[in-house]
Amino acid sequence: DAGVIQSPRHEVTEMGQEVTLRCKPISGHDYLFWYRQTMMRGLELLIYFNNNVPIDDSGMPEDRFSAKMPNASFSTLKIQPSEPRDSAVYFCASSQPVLAGGPTDTQYFGPGTRLTVL
Amino acid sequence: KQEVTQIPAALSVPEGENLVLNCSFTDSAIYNLQWFRQDPGKGLTSLLLIQSSQREQTSGRLNASLDKSSGRSTLYIAASQPGDSATYLCAADNAGNMLTFGGGTRLMVKP
Repeated sequence: DAGVIQSPRHEVTEMGQEVTLRCKPISGHDYLFWYRQTMMRGLELLIYFNNNVPIDDSGMPEDRFSAKMPNASFSTLKIQPSEPRDSAVYFCASSQPVLAGGPTDTQYFGPGTRLTVL
Repeated sequence: KQEVTQIPAALSVPEGENLVLNCSFTDSAIYNLQWFRQDPGKGLTSLLLIQSSQREQTSGRLNASLDKSSGRSTLYIAASQPGDSATYLCAADNAGNMLTFGGGTRLMVKP
């Protein structure tokens, strides 16, 4: 398996523009996670999905952020409008449950998208 | 709210030395405790996952222990090598699927 795939790897945009980050999880994984990593705040969970359904979005910083998972093999994280403080590395991860309905097993991370908002 | 702390933030050791990385967490009601490695500009790679019912896990030169009652986990690296240089992150899973990460320990192993 190619692992978790994220695109683009790097994105530079200007303040106010819309940004869309993409993720393809590992085939067969039921869970998908979006994280953000900054020097100041470290690695933070933004939102996660189970079987394409958003389960917890309490980490999404504000309404400018939205995430979708239209099918089992694709998810997007959108920022509209973007601001300089959104500059960070955004990671997508996927996993599968140890037991049905139970906690997940190891999370597999993608390489990340480095976002710079000027 | 879970808080995870890692000490030290950075560590430099000569090759061959055995070392211990520390992780502490405030809420002991965890499902598991996970250790990851992150290389510069890369994603995270899972190293070890300790379920709440376990006390330790081993993989090669790595051994991770878990003491829920004291809110601590340690990652022991035996006979360190320059290739072990990376940032090591621990993460506590409180809700079955939601990881809270520590700030990481940046390790440099000098040849």
